[in-house]
Amino acid sequence: DVKVTQSSRYLVKRTGEKVFLECVQDMDHENMFWYRQDPGLGLRLIYFSYDVKMKEKGDIPEGYSVSREKKERFSLILESASTNQTSMYLCASRPGQGRGYTFGSGTRLTVV
Amino acid sequence: QQQVKQSPQSLIVQKGGIPIINCAYENTAFDYFPWYQQFPGKGPALLIAIRPDVSEKKEGRFTISFNKSAKQFSLHIMDSQPGDSATYFCAAAISGTYKYIFGTGTRLKVLA
Repeated sequence: DVKVTQSSRYLVKRTGEKVFLECVQDMDHENMFWYRQDPGLGLRLIYFSYDVKMKEKGDIPEGYSVSREKKERFSLILESASTNQTSMYLCASRPGQGRGYTFGSGTRLTVV
Repeated sequence: QQQVKQSPQSLIVQKGGIPIINCAYENTAFDYFPWYQQFPGKGPALLIAIRPDVSEKKEGRFTISFNKSAKQFSLHIMDSQPGDSATYFCAAAISGTYKYIFGTGTRLKVLA
């Protein structure tokens, strides 16, 4: 089975801090994604990467950046954390278009 | 704006009942319709998926019905069990892109 591992289950950060969320997949998937999940809003796409060093903005990229230097690793960066970025962050990967995602277990980030 | 509208928001059924979750979409440029199941504290997991050239797909107790003309698809859970209690998300993949549109989720509770 494909495994998508997110480095932290819970994080508490202070407003203004730079925050790194790490995601690693172990099945050579081409595409990787970062979503945030909020009650009543479902899953919203922040950024995705269809190949190494390639990235595209999703629907809510403001305040975030990403890095994909290696195929298996996709990092989400909050440049200056704010309280409205308190959320559940989900990383996902898939082999290619028209295929299902495999999600990680999520990182619940609280910004105080 | 492309949307997938999911209903109901929450659902309670007795053990053995057949919960039905509905999704409707507003854009014809979708080519893959997955359903995800999410337990508390976990990331969503792919449950079952359908492509628009098929009207129904069954996997175990889970069935997707797809009505292309009505732009609707639904998930049926046969002989539901308390272990099926989870949040269910529908999604639609935008044809020719890397993006999914997710529904806002349905919280299902199956009573013992």
